[in-house]
Amino acid sequence: GQQVMQIPQYQHVQEGEDFTTYCNSSTTLSNIQWYKQRPGGHPVFLIQLVKSGEVKKQKRLTFQFGEAKKNSSLHITATQTTDVGTYFCAGTSYNNNDMRFGAGTRLTVKP
Amino acid sequence: DAEITQSPRHKITETGRQVTLACHQTWNHNNMFWYRQDLGHGLRLIHYSYGVQDTNKGEVSDGYSVSRSNTEDLPLTLESAASSQTSVYFCASSEYAGTDGEAFFGQGTRLTVV
Repeated sequence: GQQVMQIPQYQHVQEGEDFTTYCNSSTTLSNIQWYKQRPGGHPVFLIQLVKSGEVKKQKRLTFQFGEAKKNSSLHITATQTTDVGTYFCAGTSYNNNDMRFGAGTRLTVKP
Repeated sequence: DAEITQSPRHKITETGRQVTLACHQTWNHNNMFWYRQDLGHGLRLIHYSYGVQDTNKGEVSDGYSVSRSNTEDLPLTLESAASSQTSVYFCASSEYAGTDGEAFFGQGTRLTVV
């Protein structure tokens, strides 16, 4: 069945350093979404990517969708303490009619 | 303001008991989802519904059931609670067809089965 793998599981950075999390699917995706979950909170939608090779930016966050629509990445430039949380990707396969989440990357930022 | 609410927020139950977790949304969304969150596994889909009277199994549906009798509610029932079902449960809803577009999550229910 469809699997969505996400790495790394944890990332600890110094404030001001960059951060990247990667998502890889075993099947071609129709779309991929990214969510952020603060400690003790619930997932909050960040963005959706649909097109092959798509790149979207939200201030310091850059999201990419691979050409083959099987992988994606989230890059944060110059991390801040407010970026702390777990970042999840969630992909929908052309074969399934549901959305599968990666295991998430927990980001901690040292001031 | 429209919202999605889960109840209870915390529950402790005994092995073998039937438990129902409530999810109510006021967005009038057709799509509703139940996930469980466990360390190292992210969010795993239990059941989902794309409209009234529609229910579908997700990747970890064994031991769970849902029913959709109206647009606003998708209660999740654990038929006979097991310790392996100790988890944080999230309900979500979305507006557009299938999995297109933003999903709005509830605050979560922390369930402990003893």
